[in-house]
Amino acid sequence: GAVVSQHPSWVICKSGTSVKIECRSLDFQATTMFWYRQFPKQSLMLMATSNEGSKATYEQGVEKDKFLINHASLTLSTLTVTSAHPEDSSFYICSARKGTGVRTFGSGTRLTVV
Amino acid sequence: DAKTTQPTSMDCAEGRAANLPCNHSTISGNEYVYWYRQIHSQGPQYIIHGLKNNETNEMASLIITEDRKSSTLILPHATLRDTAVYYCIVRVPFGNEKLTFGTGTRLTIIP
Repeated sequence: GAVVSQHPSWVICKSGTSVKIECRSLDFQATTMFWYRQFPKQSLMLMATSNEGSKATYEQGVEKDKFLINHASLTLSTLTVTSAHPEDSSFYICSARKGTGVRTFGSGTRLTVV
Repeated sequence: DAKTTQPTSMDCAEGRAANLPCNHSTISGNEYVYWYRQIHSQGPQYIIHGLKNNETNEMASLIITEDRKSSTLILPHATLRDTAVYYCIVRVPFGNEKLTFGTGTRLTIIP
C-alpha cells in the first residue's frame, strides 16, 4: 500500500508556457502533500506544503504566483509551473504521508524548458 | 529536526554488506531516525526507521547506538541495484511536518 503516482514523468515545454504536474495518492487519502525540486547533483529542496481544501504553504524564496499548487481532493495535488523559463528546468517530486511518519514519494517529473 | 552528518560517498563490493553511518548527536528523545534512498532519476524510497532499538526489515537493518547519537544502516548483501544516494533523517513521526533532506551518502556498488 501507500502508492503515490506522479504524472507526467517527463515534459518538454517552450519558454513562456505553463506546465501542470499531477500527484495522486492511489490507495490512501492524503490531507497533506509536499512538493520538492531537485537540480542536478543536488539534494531535494522542499518547495511547498499542499493542504487539502486550503492554500499551500510555500518555503522561503519560492514564488507562489509562479508555482501554483492546488489540492482539491484528498487524493490529488497539482503543481503548475507558470510562464516557465529555462531556469525552471528541474526534477519535481511530490510526497504524501500515510500513517505515522513514513513518506511515500512519486517517481518524479523531469521538466525541461526550451 | 536534528541535524545529521553522513559521509559524502562510499563504495561497496557487490555481495558484501554495505554499512552506512550517520551521526545525529543533537537528537532529542522523541525523534526517530529514518532512512530513505534515491536511485538516479527516481523519487526517494523509504527504507527503515527506528527510535532506539535495532530494527530489521526485508530491505535493511538499522543499528542505533545506546546513546542514540549515531546509527548505521546495513544492507546485508549489496547488489548493483542498491547504488543510490542514502539519506539519514531525524524527526518526530507524527503530524505533517516537512521532511528535510541533507546531502546524503552516494553509495556505489562495485561489481
